[in-house]
Order: sequence, then C-alpha cells, then structure tokens
Amino acid sequence: EPEVTQTPSHQVTQMGQEVILRCVPISNHLYFYWYRQILGQKVEFLVSFYNNEISEKSEIFDDQFSVERPDGSNFTLKIRSTKLEDSAMYFCASSEVRTSLGYGYTFGSGTRLTVV
Amino acid sequence: QQQVKQSPQSLIVQKGGISIINCAYENTAFDYFPWYQQFPGKGPALLIAIRPDVSEKKEGRFTISFNKSAKQFSLHIMDSQPGDSATYFCAASRDDKIIFGKGTRLHILP
Repeated sequence: EPEVTQTPSHQVTQMGQEVILRCVPISNHLYFYWYRQILGQKVEFLVSFYNNEISEKSEIFDDQFSVERPDGSNFTLKIRSTKLEDSAMYFCASSEVRTSLGYGYTFGSGTRLTVV
Repeated sequence: QQQVKQSPQSLIVQKGGISIINCAYENTAFDYFPWYQQFPGKGPALLIAIRPDVSEKKEGRFTISFNKSAKQFSLHIMDSQPGDSATYFCAASRDDKIIFGKGTRLHILP
C-alpha cells in the first residue's frame, strides 16, 4: 500500500534554530498538508498546498513557517526560528482529490520535533 | 464555529462489547465527517467517513450514526477487540481542511 514518508522521525533542535521537516507524498497525489499534534492533544491543521501554492493556512502558520515542493516529489515544512512551543509531532499528509469528494488523507508517521 | 467536540476523553470496554464515541459540531458548512484511528507512534489513519446526506454508514464492525439536525455524529465499534485499542479522532471537513476532535483513548480489556 502506498505510504507518505516523513524524515527524520525525530529531530532535536535548539531554540532559535531553523528546521526543515521533509515529506515524500504518495506519487499521484495532488494535495498536500501539514498538521501538528502537541503531545496528548488533538491534531491541528497548519497548511494545505495545491498546484504549487498554499491554498489555506491556519492562524498557527505564521511568518515563521513556510512550505515548499522543491523538486516535484518532496514537500517540506520550514520553521525559521524555532520556539519551545513548536515542540510537537508534525504530520505530513496527501490526498488524490479534495477531501470533500469523500476521500480521506493519507498521513505519514510523523516527525517528532523537540525544541530545547 | 470551527470546533468539533468529542467525548469521552477515554473509554474502557470489555472484549466483545460495544464502544461508542460521540462528537458534535457547530459549522453547518462541513460536508465530510471522517473518523481516524491512531496507534502510538503512528499517524492518524482513516477508518470510516460519512457525508451529511446519509444517516448511517456501516463498514464491518464500525458504524457511523449521523444526526444532521442535532449536528451530532457517533462511532460505534461492535464486538470490540483488544486490537481496537487506540486513540480515535472524529473530524469534520470542508474543502481541504480537516478539523479534528480532541480524541478518545479507547482501551479494550481482554
């Protein structure tokens, strides 16, 4: 079964440093997403990406965050200057069509980001 | 208006019993209601989903009941098994964004 692959599985970074989280979505999928889950809490939407541009973003996704699909296969989330409160599990997801057509996302296994 | 409220927070059910998780939403613009199952260390996985023009959907042991007028929906797991022990998230979606509930940690006693 096709998978969404995320690397690294765990990243530790110092406060103020830049991090890049990487994702390889399923190859024929057109819609890409980042979500995060603070330990023990709900999964929160960050951003959706389609046709090489952001289609929607949440209030969490401020100027410190950016996304990119640099080479047609990878999908990255960059946090420019990490804060302690950015510590969370970050999930990448992809879908073939828009979710309103009745299909769910496929989520990756996540990258656990720890900011110290 | 973007919230999805989920209860209970945790649930313990005997093997073979029925597990019931309830959710409520406010925004009538939502048009897709998925349930996700998450095991420790893994991402959420789509379990079953329903659209608001349907009152019930069943897939194997999993059933979603949907009450559009009350803006409530629930997941029933029949004949619950230890392998069903996981965190379950209800969610609501419109277009590309999924709003998740806070999750229910389900434990099935052997």
